[in-house]
Amino acid sequence: DQQVKQNSPSLSVQEGRISILNCDYTNSMFDYFLWYKKYPAEGPTFLISISSIKDKNEDGRFTVFLNKSAKHLSLHIVPSQPGDSAVYFCAASSASGNTPLVFGKGTRLSVIA
Amino acid sequence: DAMVIQNPRYQVTQFGKPVTLSCSQTLNHNVMYWYQQKSSQAPKLLFHYYDKDFNNEADTPDNFQSRRPNTSFCFLDIRSPGLGDAAMYLCATSLGGRTDTQYFGPGTRLTVL
Repeated sequence: DQQVKQNSPSLSVQEGRISILNCDYTNSMFDYFLWYKKYPAEGPTFLISISSIKDKNEDGRFTVFLNKSAKHLSLHIVPSQPGDSAVYFCAASSASGNTPLVFGKGTRLSVIA
Repeated sequence: DAMVIQNPRYQVTQFGKPVTLSCSQTLNHNVMYWYQQKSSQAPKLLFHYYDKDFNNEADTPDNFQSRRPNTSFCFLDIRSPGLGDAAMYLCATSLGGRTDTQYFGPGTRLTVL
């Protein structure tokens, strides 16, 4: 039973345009969400996070939006750059439920120059 | 630079031959994690140490064991590798609780012949 779902295995975007990566979760106890970025032959690298008390968090070109009622979060990258091409993992955890980090399967983003 | 280091990066073993994967960290983090990631799958948590306190996930096979002799080092022992254990093994660390941001090493890709 997948608690964190990334339904798009891959996404292609033109350089300079917006990339939107989506993530859905089923466990209503999740209250902390993270995005990780992974290049080939490297471990995942922390990108940005959001707590359930917020609905938006921004860091430079990266913005994460959280819709608790829909149990949905998204990562926006604007503008997209070729160096953003990587696999992006959504992850969620629950401080109150003491659950470990649960990852989605990832979305492979290709930014085309 | 503070980091998480995994050795070796690539490991080949024979079916049934014990293998040990190594992880070290210079972040002085309290928590160390071991994940298994198979192709196109989400990283799956095997177990973690909070200081010396070992926490095994319920569905982690007995074939997988771990040791943490000190704060800096953590080992993953696979007692009798099967073909199904071929995967990328990721080590991660975090400062404190399970909801803290985790920092990953580059991974060890295990091949079982």
